Amino acid sequence: DGGITQSPKYLFRKEGQNVTLSCEQNLNHDAMYWYRQDPGQGLRLIYYSQIVNDFQKGDIAEGYSVSREKKESFPLTVTSAQKNPTAFYLCASSIGRGSDEQYFGPGTRLTVT
Amino acid sequence: KNEVEQSPQNLTAQEGEFITINCSYSVGISALHWLQQHPGGGIVSLFMLSSGKKKHGRLIATINIQEKHSSLHITASHPRDSAVYICAVSRSGGGADGLTFGKGTHLIIQP
Repeated sequence: DGGITQSPKYLFRKEGQNVTLSCEQNLNHDAMYWYRQDPGQGLRLIYYSQIVNDFQKGDIAEGYSVSREKKESFPLTVTSAQKNPTAFYLCASSIGRGSDEQYFGPGTRLTVT
Repeated sequence: KNEVEQSPQNLTAQEGEFITINCSYSVGISALHWLQQHPGGGIVSLFMLSSGKKKHGRLIATINIQEKHSSLHITASHPRDSAVYICAVSRSGGGADGLTFGKGTHLIIQP
């Protein structure tokens, strides 16, 4: 079955630790995205990648880093510099044009204490 | 002011009622998306449209490009339709640079 997987579903970390969220897709999509969702707010774009070995900052990239070494994988690292890391993180992918449908993963809920 | 505004924020209705959720946007777009998010958090794409109207089962989505407005309608609503419905836009320009989202409409259908 084609789709997007994110792991783990729930993640707990202590303040000051870096943590990496996994996102894998087998849809052969060129474009991949990371969004953050907070209660009462719309999803916000953290980083996106239109092609392997290239990525761009979104609206709220500070305190996050990404890599895109393989077409299938787009991991997100939440660094200790991120002031409010507790949130629900969603990964998505699309064929690669701006008006394409986006396919979302199940999400990872990160809690930092 | 948010670039994508949805109304209402919350909606509770009885089973069988006709539901309308509205979305207005203030930027140029190449497409508008309606998404559904269930309590577990996963998001499913319902519609992507750039003009006119689309229908899938009991769901209908319309868009008026001149007025920068879209509506999502649910006919014969059912408790399983309870979810958060999110409007999002792909900005015009052609690049795959992510969506801009509304805050969502929390819909509860009571039996």
